[in-house]
Amino acid sequence: DTAVSQTPKYLVTQMGNDKSIKCEQNLGHDTMYWYKQDSKKFLKIMFSYNNKELIINETVPNRFSPKSPDKAHLNLHINSLELGDSAVYFCASSQALRGGWNEQFFGPGTRLTVL
Amino acid sequence: GENVEQHPSTLSVQEGDSAVIKCTYSDSASNYFPWYKQELGKGPQLIIDIRSNVGEKKDQRIAVTLNKTAKHFSLHITETQPEDSAVYFCAEGGYQKVTFGIGTKLQVIP
Repeated sequence: DTAVSQTPKYLVTQMGNDKSIKCEQNLGHDTMYWYKQDSKKFLKIMFSYNNKELIINETVPNRFSPKSPDKAHLNLHINSLELGDSAVYFCASSQALRGGWNEQFFGPGTRLTVL
Repeated sequence: GENVEQHPSTLSVQEGDSAVIKCTYSDSASNYFPWYKQELGKGPQLIIDIRSNVGEKKDQRIAVTLNKTAKHFSLHITETQPEDSAVYFCAEGGYQKVTFGIGTKLQVIP
């Protein structure tokens, strides 16, 4: 069984389009994340949700809008796509630990290419 | 934690040799230090982690050491095998988020 799944795995689109990436976790975790990994492999947090509530919103353009319909899902919608948005986007989840951190489980990634 | 420095960025070792990757951090309040392995085309996966109340942790061929005074921690892989070839990320769990290092591409040469 896939713990953290993302769709689609590959996404190729034109500049200016709007696209969405979906993420689902079946681990019962209460925290979910979106990361962006650029061509140099740098992994940067974008958003974090805890029990459907946004708790981290890094300096990400407002063209990126996360949506969490329930604890098990965190989708990422991107408006007006730009060339610089090309990257691999990873969803992850973890179970919040009082006063500390726990392992994050990553999805397989979505490779976004903007032409 | 806002800044995690990781080095080296690339590392080549002969099969059977040891590999060491080092990281430094700046936030003295950080209390969680995981290491992730990312294989080609996959998401990162936790291989070992250490919390601030422990100085060393070992799991078979993998060990992590933490020096809170100096604010650095290291990953040690002994008896490396070709399947250890991957990108390794250190990370630091600080206030509200986990910050990742830039990654080390490890190549184990058969």
